[in-house]
Amino acid sequence: DTEVTQTPKHLVMGMTNKKSLKCEQHMGHRAMYWYKQKAKKPPELMFVYSYEKLSINESVPSRFSPECPNSSLLNLHLHALQPEDSALYLCASSPERDYEQYFGPGTRLTVT
Amino acid sequence: AQSVAQPEDQVNVAEGNPLTVKCTYSVSGNPYLFWYVQYPNRGLQFLLKYITGDNLVKGSYGFEAEFNKSQTSFHLKKPSALVSDSALYFCAVSNMDTGRRALTFGSGTRLQVQP
Repeated sequence: DTEVTQTPKHLVMGMTNKKSLKCEQHMGHRAMYWYKQKAKKPPELMFVYSYEKLSINESVPSRFSPECPNSSLLNLHLHALQPEDSALYLCASSPERDYEQYFGPGTRLTVT
Repeated sequence: AQSVAQPEDQVNVAEGNPLTVKCTYSVSGNPYLFWYVQYPNRGLQFLLKYITGDNLVKGSYGFEAEFNKSQTSFHLKKPSALVSDSALYFCAVSNMDTGRRALTFGSGTRLQVQP
């Protein structure tokens, strides 16, 4: 299984809502990542988990809260988002330090 | 700090012709270099990587890239373009000396292959 899955595919939420994005991989990878991608722009790193511990937080606002319950699962909890947070949120995993990353299809988030 | 430059926003090529998508990088140590492709409303797909060894790297779908340390370049090439190659291509770098796992992406190059 060489796939990273993300749910939901699309999410529309109001600024007062609380929602979560889910990412799953069963490749035995020990590093997992969240990226944010705006239209026609490159992905921007948000968080990195290594061996289920948060290793990098790229100064992301606290309205985004990551969680890694186990080595296969990565969540991104969303609360009180702003319209400018609307973007494609990509999850990725990699087998070891600095090896290639495998990306999921993304969740298209719209904040109204 | 590390950075990647993709100087062309768009590359147009006729089907059957060779294609090149340019990438230059800047890192303080030894680079890991990657190419990814993104189709509309999709995630990124890994194409190829350079870690060490042979400067010519072969990847998926007939793509290859040449690592040139003196020019700090990692251009993506394909001998014969297909219409289905039309997509957004990202070059990315990671610094193997710092242990930082995350990738720094270039701004992307849109490849348009005309029939």
